[in-house]
Amino acid sequence: GAVVSQHPSWVICKSGTSVKIECRSLDFQATTMFWYRQFPKQSLMLMATSNEGSKATYEQGVEKDKFLINHASLTLSTLTVTSAHPEDSSFYICSAKPRERVGELFFGEGSRLTVL
Amino acid sequence: AQSVTQLGSHVSVSEGALVLLRCNYSSSVPPYLFWYVQYPNQGLQLLLKYTSAATLVKGINGFEAEFKKSETSFHLTKPSAHMSDAAEYFCAVSDLYSGYALNFGKGTSLLVTP
Repeated sequence: GAVVSQHPSWVICKSGTSVKIECRSLDFQATTMFWYRQFPKQSLMLMATSNEGSKATYEQGVEKDKFLINHASLTLSTLTVTSAHPEDSSFYICSAKPRERVGELFFGEGSRLTVL
Repeated sequence: AQSVTQLGSHVSVSEGALVLLRCNYSSSVPPYLFWYVQYPNQGLQLLLKYTSAATLVKGINGFEAEFKKSETSFHLTKPSAHMSDAAEYFCAVSDLYSGYALNFGKGTSLLVTP
């Protein structure tokens, strides 16, 4: 149990276009989802926290207008990278917190974004 | 604010030798502590977690970690390394005040030599 599915796994896009990444909790309800970004050979940096039905909370330095996060249901959160540029190329990983578990997160497999 | 420090960005061990990856944390409230493993171009896999129960935590693949409050440490160990253990390992901390968002260490790359 506690599977988080992230899609797409790989995406290549042209500079200036927008890309949407989906994060789904398959077998549990996620009251909170977190989006992380990971640069090559670096650690994961928290970008934002999203709670179902409310606006996402962004970490300092993360542009909320560039990284749009929607958490429309208890099983789905989306991250849209708007007007992507090459510097947005990165590995994006979502994680979900089950409603009934304290302090435990489950991670998606990550999405590799390459902006040409 | 909570944080973790992983000592040693790279650790090399021989196959069959003891694995010790170090993690120290800081948190103003009781923390939840985690170790994750990441293989290239993949997501994170939870190895084990400490959530205020037993201080010696056993995880998957023979890994274990001990929570030592007096030393603010949560080091990861495995008695005998396998070649398949070569990967990136992340220690992470969360607590109630962070909304349970994980704060990761910089990671330790484990190399296992024959």
